[in-house]
Amino acid sequence: DARVTQTPRDKVTEMGQEVTMRCQPILGHNTVFWYRQTMMQGLELLAYFRNRAPLDDSGMPKDRFSAEMPDATLATLKIQPSEPRDSAVYFCASGFLAGGRSTGELFFGEGSRLTVL
Amino acid sequence: SQQGEEDPQALSIQEGENATMNCSYKTSINNLQWYRQNSGRGLVHLILIRSNEREKHSGRLRVTLDTSKKSSSLLITASRAADTASYFCATDAAGNNRKLIWGLGTSLAVNP
Repeated sequence: DARVTQTPRDKVTEMGQEVTMRCQPILGHNTVFWYRQTMMQGLELLAYFRNRAPLDDSGMPKDRFSAEMPDATLATLKIQPSEPRDSAVYFCASGFLAGGRSTGELFFGEGSRLTVL
Repeated sequence: SQQGEEDPQALSIQEGENATMNCSYKTSINNLQWYRQNSGRGLVHLILIRSNEREKHSGRLRVTLDTSKKSSSLLITASRAADTASYFCATDAAGNNRKLIWGLGTSLAVNP
């Protein structure tokens, strides 16, 4: 049963610390999304990769957030330094986009719940 | 800004009743998708309806799309306690680089 795997599931850290979240997308998928979910803002897109190339990170605070896909089996989201306002659940999702077609079904991981004290 | 807006924000019904949730959006779309999220879990894809489709069924789910009104509805028939979750619509807006735009969701409680 293919699934998106995210680690860690829960992370509690202190303000100023570096946080790295990891995602293993489903094998064969060519798009990866990082979302942040809060009660107030809902799902916010942070970064979007297609064939490992970053397509859109306009929703990501560039001064402290960075997202990479070092290879097809790993996507990372790093926050340095972390702040209390970064507390949220971070989701990774993957999907397959064929050329010229619309975005199809996304498969989500279980999320990484981050608490910054 | 959010493309999709779900209505109502919260819905509470009894088991066996039907639940209807609505989603409105602002721009032309390629498709519209509905997802479910159980508490503390990731989102799960339910159904996708393309811009040239008007209605789609999947089990107890029925989705309609009215592109003239820029709206969609999700109907869950004969609801069960296990349907308790948040439901989100997401639109693949035309010309939006294939990103999905999400609504804030409808929280559904199905009481036994």
